[in-house]
Amino acid sequence: DAGITQSPRHKVTETGTPVTLRCHQTENHRYMYWYRQDPGHGLRLIHYSYGVKDTDKGEVSDGYSVSRSKTEDFLLTLESATSSQTSVYFCAISESGLAGVSGANVLTFGAGSRLTVL
Amino acid sequence: GEDVEQSLFLSVREGDSSVINCTYTDSSSTYLYWYKQEPGAGLQLLTYIFSNMDMKQDQRLTVLLNKKDKHLSLRIADTQTGDSAIYFCAESAGDGTASKLTFGTGTRLQVTL
Repeated sequence: DAGITQSPRHKVTETGTPVTLRCHQTENHRYMYWYRQDPGHGLRLIHYSYGVKDTDKGEVSDGYSVSRSKTEDFLLTLESATSSQTSVYFCAISESGLAGVSGANVLTFGAGSRLTVL
Repeated sequence: GEDVEQSLFLSVREGDSSVINCTYTDSSSTYLYWYKQEPGAGLQLLTYIFSNMDMKQDQRLTVLLNKKDKHLSLRIADTQTGDSAIYFCAESAGDGTASKLTFGTGTRLQVTL
């Protein structure tokens, strides 16, 4: 997990409260991603960023927002947490962001943030 | 949308070979990947294969790709207890802004003595 840090690593919160998870990278990579991991679903993409202030939705973006004001930080916000958002959240970074003739899109993952919504 | 499927569990004895299978639906996939997740940790890239290849070998790992059947496998030779983990296959296809990876559900590999 060198070069990518997630905080907090563990959080317990109550339904209806706002939650922000932070991903910080020191690799100066352009692309950053937020995934959630749930049993039986593998990893599912929430949002991703392809540059400062450039973000787009993934397959499970409802209830989540993101912001990227600096290259190194990508924030995931749950405006009003629900129990269905109890999960392990992973941030990932990649240098190229594109998989094509020039190479694969290799993601490096953080250690994860375990969120429990009661 | 894209779909990637794996079996949930595989148990092998130490020293045997492990074969983890994956099927995918997106015919425009450019690369296919294998990631490993150890308990309490994030995913680590093991290897990847370009879609116009049918095999890639890297030390104890062999990746086989059957593009016609959209089937990917990971063979681990001489499986060790340290190989116990969850293994995810993933595929990526370009869409202009980013080649987002779609992951399978993961296969938990248990290595017994």
